Amino acid sequence: AQKITQTQPGMFVQEKEAVTLDCTYDTSDPSYGLFWYKQPSSGEMIFLIYQGSYDQQNATEGRYSLNFQKARKSANLVISASQLGDSAMYFCAMRPTSGTYKYIFGTGTRLKVLA
Amino acid sequence: DVKVTQSSRYLVKRTGEKVFLECVQDMDHENMFWYRQDPGLGLRLIYFSYDVKMKEKGDIPEGYSVSREKKERFSLILESASTNQTSMYLCASMEGYNSPLHFGNGTRLTVT
Repeated sequence: AQKITQTQPGMFVQEKEAVTLDCTYDTSDPSYGLFWYKQPSSGEMIFLIYQGSYDQQNATEGRYSLNFQKARKSANLVISASQLGDSAMYFCAMRPTSGTYKYIFGTGTRLKVLA
Repeated sequence: DVKVTQSSRYLVKRTGEKVFLECVQDMDHENMFWYRQDPGLGLRLIYFSYDVKMKEKGDIPEGYSVSREKKERFSLILESASTNQTSMYLCASMEGYNSPLHFGNGTRLTVT
């Protein structure tokens, strides 16, 4: 079965420090895409970063990077130099390429950045 | 910039009412989605549409239907609202296969 697991329901980090949000996935598809989204208290889901399963390098977007370990089936999000505005829910998602547009989402991690 | 607009931010309806949730996107995307978000369950796909008048069931379609008469508009219909449909509903659109989803702000529906 295809599944995304986020084992950290909640996390705290001090402002300006780095934080890693864990995500593991399960799929038998040889090709797939992995995504991270941020959901502030306002409710809108904001796309952060994408990693393709065949990408050789880890994806980076500004302060966000994705630590992709294919053999371990993990796609952890690293946020460097945390800011108060980073406080939000973070969702990991996978889109298998078995001819479907269905995304599979994890249950999310709530991050709180402390001043 | 990409824009997905959901017509209502908050909605309160009575059990048995027919409820319409509207979503409009301005990016000319062919693919549109309706998700339901509940605490501890993440996002679950209700329906999606890959073209006008085309739709496919997601993981939890029971109690819902959809309509897509125009490319930019995707409506979610609760035929007879029930209290277990109280939830946050998120609409999204997507350009292509490896593209991210673009979400609206969500509609928080309460059925009493």
